[in-house]
Amino acid sequence: DAGVIQSPRHEVTEMGQEVTLRCKPISGHNSLFWYRQTMMRGLELLIYFNNNVPIDDSGMPEDRFSAKMPNASFSTLKIQPSEPRDSAVYFCASRSTGDSSYEQYFGPGTRLTVT
Amino acid sequence: SQQGEEDPQALSIQEGENATMNCSYKTSINNLQWYRQNSGRGLVHLILIRSNEREKHSGRLRVTLDTSKKSSSLLITASRAADTASYFCATGAGNEKLTFGTGTRLTIIP
Repeated sequence: DAGVIQSPRHEVTEMGQEVTLRCKPISGHNSLFWYRQTMMRGLELLIYFNNNVPIDDSGMPEDRFSAKMPNASFSTLKIQPSEPRDSAVYFCASRSTGDSSYEQYFGPGTRLTVT
Repeated sequence: SQQGEEDPQALSIQEGENATMNCSYKTSINNLQWYRQNSGRGLVHLILIRSNEREKHSGRLRVTLDTSKKSSSLLITASRAADTASYFCATGAGNEKLTFGTGTRLTIIP
């Protein structure tokens, strides 16, 4: 199994530009999570999906952030327009709701730098 | 806000010694998990303990949970250089969401 795949691994962009982060969950997993990690705020849950449906987006910082999951094997997190304070590592994680261990499987992350 | 607070924030020990990290949380939980994060990598699940359990073992890992004190501890015995990483506790309420703590940065000195 390839694990959770995220792209790109690194993204450097200028303030005001649109940024799109991509995630492919583990095949068969039906829940997908987007997290943001910074030194100041630690690891924060932004949004999660179950069976491709957004369940809780209360962690999305503001309207500049949006996430979609058009099918079971793909999700995007978009920031438009980006700001320097969005600089962070963004992780995608997935799990199967049939798994009683509650374990989440994390991707390698996308390091975003907004200048 | 973060649910879990880890203590200490950073810990350095000699290889072969035991490492203990603590986690405190604020609200009722269904389960508590510990994850490891190596530098520049994603988090990896280590062990889960349910709210009706008090202690759990997995290899060199021992986790305890005291729901009356809303606290947990992770003990790594006979530490190795490869254990150098950040360790996070995460609390779950029985739904999908996990709330992660602030993490303990563990350094094993060879």
